[in-house]
Amino acid sequence: QQPVQSPQAVILREGEDAVINCSSSKALYSVHWYRQKHGEAPVFLMILLKGGEQKGHEKISASFNEKKQQSSLYLTASQLSYSGTYFCGTEMNDYKLSFGAGTTVTVRA
Amino acid sequence: SQTIHQWPATLVQPVGSPLSLECTVEGTSNPNLYWYRQAAGRGLQLLFYSVGIGQISSEVPQNLSASRPQDRQFILSSKKLLLSDSGFYLCAWSVRAGVLYGYTFGSGTRLTVV
Repeated sequence: QQPVQSPQAVILREGEDAVINCSSSKALYSVHWYRQKHGEAPVFLMILLKGGEQKGHEKISASFNEKKQQSSLYLTASQLSYSGTYFCGTEMNDYKLSFGAGTTVTVRA
Repeated sequence: SQTIHQWPATLVQPVGSPLSLECTVEGTSNPNLYWYRQAAGRGLQLLFYSVGIGQISSEVPQNLSASRPQDRQFILSSKKLLLSDSGFYLCAWSVRAGVLYGYTFGSGTRLTVV
């Protein structure tokens, strides 16, 4: 079942922060985050396993609350290069990911 | 290092024509392979996945089919394309060793059915 992402879009100025949320109605085994630039394929950012761990990639970090089946992606001190569409992908201890509809992030100078 | 090749990059096909998209992976053995489709401005829809040669799981009933004739080759086909088959087709690979590792996507095929 497809996870629900929010917000649909966010506009930031360089240096500002943002949070993208991903939630599922099913028990999750892991949550993945990807970023897709316009016209390109998505690129893997990080994976979070159940256990509430937090991970980071540059100034992008994420958390996973397995009790609530929710994950959040944190964009800190955003840079122009952070622009793109962010997707969460959820796995239920099987071999595949279901992706959310995506959150479009625009970072302006 | 592992690489994934997907071709062609763009394709314009008439309604009712056949389709064959190919994806190959190098540098890894027994990968999980996936076909996703992305409509313009939308998310990624899983079409097929495979955990081994000849093992294909279909996620969405449609006029598409997939085959895995070799360990590192994944093919997406259709006998007769529909207008609704237009989209950005992405092949991906991963491995599962206790946890499903991050996907690596191919560069994609942009298909327009006219």
